[in-house]
Amino acid sequence: AQKVTQAQTEISVVEKEDVTLDCVYETRDTTYYLFWYKQPPSGELVFLIRRNSFDEQNEISGRYSWNFQKSTSSFNFTITASQVVDSAVYFCALGEAGSYQLTFGKGTKLSVIP
Amino acid sequence: NAGVTQTPKFQVLKTGQSMTLQCAQDMNHEYMSWYRQDPGMGLRLIHYSVGAGITDQGEVPNGYNVSRSTTEDFPLRLLSAAPSQTSVYFCASRLAGTTDTQYFGPGTRLTVL
Repeated sequence: AQKVTQAQTEISVVEKEDVTLDCVYETRDTTYYLFWYKQPPSGELVFLIRRNSFDEQNEISGRYSWNFQKSTSSFNFTITASQVVDSAVYFCALGEAGSYQLTFGKGTKLSVIP
Repeated sequence: NAGVTQTPKFQVLKTGQSMTLQCAQDMNHEYMSWYRQDPGMGLRLIHYSVGAGITDQGEVPNGYNVSRSTTEDFPLRLLSAAPSQTSVYFCASRLAGTTDTQYFGPGTRLTVL
């Protein structure tokens, strides 16, 4: 069975600090996909990134970066120089090839304090 | 493109009432699904559809019905609302592939008294 664990329930940082959100997953499939979504206080779910199991290259997009390590079954998300607008709940999710279900972690609430 | 739209945005029901949450997408996505979000629980799949006329149950289907008569629409029906169904409901859609990126609607906040 697939499972996603986001051990950090809440994190608070001061603006301009770097912060890493952890995501650990469990799957028996060799082909799978990992996602990060952002849920700002307004409530919508915003897609951030999709990574497949065959691509372990790290990804950088502006202040956001993602570190995918199959050896530790982790897909961590780092925000560099955090800003107040980064305050949100962040969800990590796992999709297995052949399964229609996307399994979500319980989310990490990030608060960036000015 | 409007993407995924949901109506209503907020709804209050009394126990035992019925209602339908509406979901529509204009991206010609084959796959649509309904999730509920509860505090500390993440998102859990209620029902999904892989195309018009085809639906299946997800992780928490009890108390909900769905149908898919067109590619665009995927309504969620609560036949007899219960307080345990108080939640935020999200509709999502994606292309046919099982691991394509899923896009979410803005959500419906439902309270059952």
